[in-house]
Order: sequence, then structure tokens, then C-alpha cells
Amino acid sequence: SQTIHQWPATLVQPVGSPLSLECTVEGTSNPNLYWYRQAAGRGLQLLFYSVGIGQISSEVPQNLSASRPQDRQFILSSKKLLLSDSGFYLCAWSGGTSYNEQFFGPGTRLTVL
Amino acid sequence: AQSVTQLGSHVSVSEGALVLLRCNYSSSVPPYLFWYVQYPNQGLQLLLKYTSAATLVKGINGFEAEFKKSETSFHLTKPSAHMSDAAEYFCAVRQQAGTALIFGKGTTLSVSS
Repeated sequence: SQTIHQWPATLVQPVGSPLSLECTVEGTSNPNLYWYRQAAGRGLQLLFYSVGIGQISSEVPQNLSASRPQDRQFILSSKKLLLSDSGFYLCAWSGGTSYNEQFFGPGTRLTVL
Repeated sequence: AQSVTQLGSHVSVSEGALVLLRCNYSSSVPPYLFWYVQYPNQGLQLLLKYTSAATLVKGINGFEAEFKKSETSFHLTKPSAHMSDAAEYFCAVRQQAGTALIFGKGTTLSVSS
């Protein structure tokens, strides 16, 4: 069966520090991968999605970036965090035999102070 | 472009009462529709999905939803609420396989004893 991992689970970072969040998927190949951010009362905002290694589409201009160095690895990064980057970050995948729905990871709670 | 509107950011019911969470979509083509549930500090879990088969879709935990094309709605219901149903619920739409889901802003369900 397929599983999706995210780490770290929680993170507290100062303003201006770098960021690296990692997401990995097991049990499937060539998945579509997604990063969402969830801020209080604002629903889920799609940040990036990827249909293959090195292929990244950005949905919202911001100081975040994403990379996909391996088929089942998706990384969210920032060179300098802003207060507004605080939130709950969710990674998701779709593909394989369940091509319609997306499956979500457990999330990373980021607090920028 | 497709979109999803969830009516009511907060719904409160008593234990044993009917649960009704409303979702309306906008789509120029037959959509794929989904309901997800999120418990505090966790990822999203798929409750049910509509992919142009039966219009009444049954999901996990006793939830079901009915696709009504004439009303562009996909409301989520459960005949009898349990305390464990207290969570945030998201409706989502996707117009074609492989594209990212578009989420509504979510509805928080509270269940009182």
C-alpha cells in the first residue's frame, strides 16, 4: 500500500531563516505531487505541484520554492522566512490506480517568530 | 474556471441529529467532486468521491453525498451525528484527472451532547 511521509512534524523558525520541508511517497511510482498551505480560516492554498522529476508548477508567487530531486520526493524551501509563512503545510500525491483523488500526508506545523 | 463554495464556515448539531454540510461547485465540464475530513493537526482524509457514476455516493463513517447537476451541489449528509464527527470538512473539485484539486474554505462541524 501507498504511504506518504512529511517531516518535520513541527518547526519553529525565526524570521529570515531558511526552510526545508520534505515529503516522500512510498508504494507508487511517478506520482503527481502537491504542496498546500493551510492558514487559519483560509482553507487550503495550492502552492506547487509536480508531474515529474524536475517539473514544478507554481500557483502563487511568494518567497517559497519547490524541488523534486527524485520521483517520490518533494521538497519545499525558502531562503528567508517571513512571518506570513506560518501555517500548516500539507503534501499530497495522486496517481497510480487512484488517479482522481489526492492523498495527504500528516502535515508540518510551521511557526515563524 | 472551476470553484467550490461551502456555505457556512461553522455548523453545530446535537449528537444524534442530522448532519448537513453544503457544497456548491462551478464547473464548465462534468466535475470530479470530493469530500475530505480533517481532525486537528492532521492531514486530510478522503470521505467520499463522485466521478460520474451513481449520483448518490456513500463514504466512510456513515457519510453520504448526492450530486445534483441541476443545482450544481454536492452536499454531505449523515443521518445521526456522533461526537467523533467533530472536525473540519472540505469539499473539493477537479475537472480532469491529473490536475490539482480546488478546495472550498472548509466547514467546522461541532457536535454537542
